[in-house]
Amino acid sequence: AQSVTQPDIHITVSEGASLELRCNYSYGATPYLFWYVQSPGQGLQLLLKYFSGDTLVQGIKGFEAEFKRSQSSFNLRKPSVHWSDAAEYFCAVVPHGGFQKLVFGTGTRLLVSP
Amino acid sequence: GAVVSQHPSWVICKSGTSVKIECRSLDFQATTMFWYRQFPKQSLMLMATSNEGSKATYEQGVEKDKFLINHASLTLSTLTVTSAHPEDSSFYICSAPGGAAQPEQYFGPGTRLTVT
Repeated sequence: AQSVTQPDIHITVSEGASLELRCNYSYGATPYLFWYVQSPGQGLQLLLKYFSGDTLVQGIKGFEAEFKRSQSSFNLRKPSVHWSDAAEYFCAVVPHGGFQKLVFGTGTRLLVSP
Repeated sequence: GAVVSQHPSWVICKSGTSVKIECRSLDFQATTMFWYRQFPKQSLMLMATSNEGSKATYEQGVEKDKFLINHASLTLSTLTVTSAHPEDSSFYICSAPGGAAQPEQYFGPGTRLTVT
């Protein structure tokens, strides 16, 4: 079945440590790929996106993501986490031919410890 | 950048009443808008696609008579929750694509609905 998987429900990282959030998708053709962040009670903010081209994508707030076709993955990374990065992170895709409909992963809650 | 607003940001209503939520694209036109529902600590689930000038299309399992969607203009879509019940309490978020055939979407800040 076509889906977006975020295998980690919660992740706790020490402030200043590196971060990697995992995302895998199962679609026949590579979809458009996105990472969004949501603070409690807030809407979604786009961190970065991948449509084509360079597989390492730079986003806002120091985040980057790498698209790996062979692994059907689009993992999000940050070299040094700040306490303000604590939030819910969603990987999402728009399948080709999907009429712009976003399909979201289940989300990963990031906790940052002092 | 493209901005999407929602109103109200939160609303409390009594069971059996109806509530209308507005979604506006402030600096761009949107022939299509999307409505999502998010329960606490869960992901976003697409409810329906709002189409300017035509009927909305609903995802499987979403009651179209309960969640009325009207796309009145190129910048406004409304979601009306009719005869609301406590189980309809949720966070409702709208989004709009940046342009025709554009996969990127811009999200509103969301509306917290509590039905008592």
